[in-house]
This record gives sequence, structure tokens and C-alpha cells, in this order.
Amino acid sequence: KQEVTQIPAALSVPEGENLVLNCSFTDSAIYNLQWFRQDPGKGLTSLLLIQSSQREQTSGRLNASLDKSSGRSTLYIAASQPGDSATYLCAVRPPPRMGGGTSYGKLTFGQGTILTVHP
Amino acid sequence: DTGVSQNPRHKITKRGQNVTFRCDPISEHNRLYWYRQTLGQGPEFLTYFQNEAQLEKSRLLSDRFSAERPKGSFSTLEIQRTEQGDSAMYLCASSQGTGVRNTEAFFGQGTRLTVV
Repeated sequence: KQEVTQIPAALSVPEGENLVLNCSFTDSAIYNLQWFRQDPGKGLTSLLLIQSSQREQTSGRLNASLDKSSGRSTLYIAASQPGDSATYLCAVRPPPRMGGGTSYGKLTFGQGTILTVHP
Repeated sequence: DTGVSQNPRHKITKRGQNVTFRCDPISEHNRLYWYRQTLGQGPEFLTYFQNEAQLEKSRLLSDRFSAERPKGSFSTLEIQRTEQGDSAMYLCASSQGTGVRNTEAFFGQGTRLTVV
């Protein structure tokens, strides 16, 4: 059974700092990995999607890397801002099952990292 | 179409009552998922539809839960005889896929259920 762990559980940094959020998964046989942002009481906003064949993806101040063989991904946030304060979740998607299957797109999530960026 | 829409946003119900939530996915998306999220945890998968077919259900989905997607467009999730342990955020997501190929998942704002 796939398990996803995110470290740290919470992080508080001053504005302007560069920071790294970590995600690890126990089964390296994944189809892709997705990073999300969740504001309190809200749904999830997709940030970055990395296919299993890719090493990294970038969007603005965000850079996500993937080391599938070691079961790890990191989300790097450059020049953090108070508006970046939120919970960040990573999720992995399994490959199709042997002999065909139906679990396309089902995500297994970590418990999230609560990020606070203070002015 | 601006994204995945869920209604209602909040629902407070008495224990033992039935509740129904609705999800309208992004219009061209053929795959639809329901997840449940409790406080301080990541979302947990409940069930998955491809078009109108319900192809997978989690063990979390007890017999009090039922989901439908009658015309392959919107979906409903019904909880019968609600219990306090059902209190959670119920999230809907959609994506577009053919065979093993799948776009990224887009989530709605969720429905917050409180059972009192």
C-alpha cells in the first residue's frame, strides 16, 4: 500500500526566505506526482505536475523535483511571501495495474506541510 | 466553465439524517473523483467515475454512502443515516483521460459537512 509522508509538518519563515518542502513515498512505481496548495477551509489548487519520466517542473517561484527511484520529491519556493502561507500537499498517482485496471488518476496524499510566511 | 463546482459549500445536519452533495466537473473532463478530508489530514480517496461508470470504490465508502454520475456529467454523493464520524470536508476532482493517459486533477472548493 502506498504511503506518502511530508516533512516538516509545519514551517514558519520570515518573508523573503527560500524554502524547501519534502515529500516521500514508499512505492516508487508511480505514474506522476502532483503538488497542491490548500488555503484554510478551501479546496485544493494544483501547483505542479511531474510525470514519472521527468526530473523537475518549474512555475514562477516554484520548482518541484522528483527522484522516483528514491521515492522523494521536493517543492522549492523562492523568495517567499506572506501570500504563500497555506498548506502544501503532495500526492502520487499509481501506474495502471498489470493486465489493465481502472485506478487511473486516483491520488494518494501526504498529510501536508503548513507553511506560515510572516512579514 | 471556470472549474469544478461543489454545492453546498457547508452543510450542518443532525445525526441520523440523510445528506446529498453535488459536484459539477470541468465540462470536458470524463473522470471524476470524490475524496474525504478530515482536519489535519490529506484527502483520502472515496470513489472514481469514468463517464457514468463507477469503476472503483474505497473501503472507506461504507454501505451508507452512495455516489452516482447518471449522465457522465455532474455527480452526487449521498450519505444516509449520518454519524458524527462523517463530519469532514468532501472534495470532488475531475480530470481528462484516455486509457493510461491522464491530465492533472482539478479540485472543487469542497463541501464541509458537520454532523451534530
